[in-house]
Amino acid sequence: GESVGLHLPTLSVQEGDNSIINCAYSNSASDYFIWYKQESGKGPQFIIDIRSNMDKRQGQRVTVLLNKTVKHLSLQIAATQPGDSAVYFCAETFTGGGNKLTFGTGTQLKVEL
Amino acid sequence: GAVVSQHPSWVICKSGTSVKIECRSLDFQATTMFWYRQFPKQSLMLMATSNEGSKATYEQGVEKDKFLINHASLTLSTLTVTSAHPEDSSFYICSAVPGLDEQYFGPGTRLTVT
Repeated sequence: GESVGLHLPTLSVQEGDNSIINCAYSNSASDYFIWYKQESGKGPQFIIDIRSNMDKRQGQRVTVLLNKTVKHLSLQIAATQPGDSAVYFCAETFTGGGNKLTFGTGTQLKVEL
Repeated sequence: GAVVSQHPSWVICKSGTSVKIECRSLDFQATTMFWYRQFPKQSLMLMATSNEGSKATYEQGVEKDKFLINHASLTLSTLTVTSAHPEDSSFYICSAVPGLDEQYFGPGTRLTVT
């Protein structure tokens, strides 16, 4: 879907706690989803991806959950660290879409010491 | 591996002038590169798809005569903002696709038009 709005949602967590960042996607034909981390003044950095034939995928300290029924994606970060502070975006694309990504609105994660 | 660079990292230009931004894939070839624009506190918005050896495909609402894209080789795409105005001030990000799905992003270019 198209990103609108001037204010990023913010999630504040204490260092060491788990973080859950949510994303609603718009295209029911989307079959590949990616989470990106963007630090201030930098380009997006790949975190983890998932295809529509899966509902869960784990990486190092991160887990992505996919619920196709309600078109919802979440990113779980375990034992959140100060270095995790950034803006997190989900992105969607579909087979035959020419690798074109549609980005979500983003969530600002702030890790408090 | 899979490093994408952009040059310059930031640029200030006067209204009415043109500015060129380069996007390079340093260690892989990319038949497709994408250009995005990002305003403060907002998400990335796709501007155009750059294909090596062919004309770029622009998203709806993006002026192709204002944002000139050239994909001269498998490792280089350029975005030229022509007759820039203050409203063109933004963070421009490119990405490159080496294979099927993976897309690697450049570090971005901050354009300020005075």
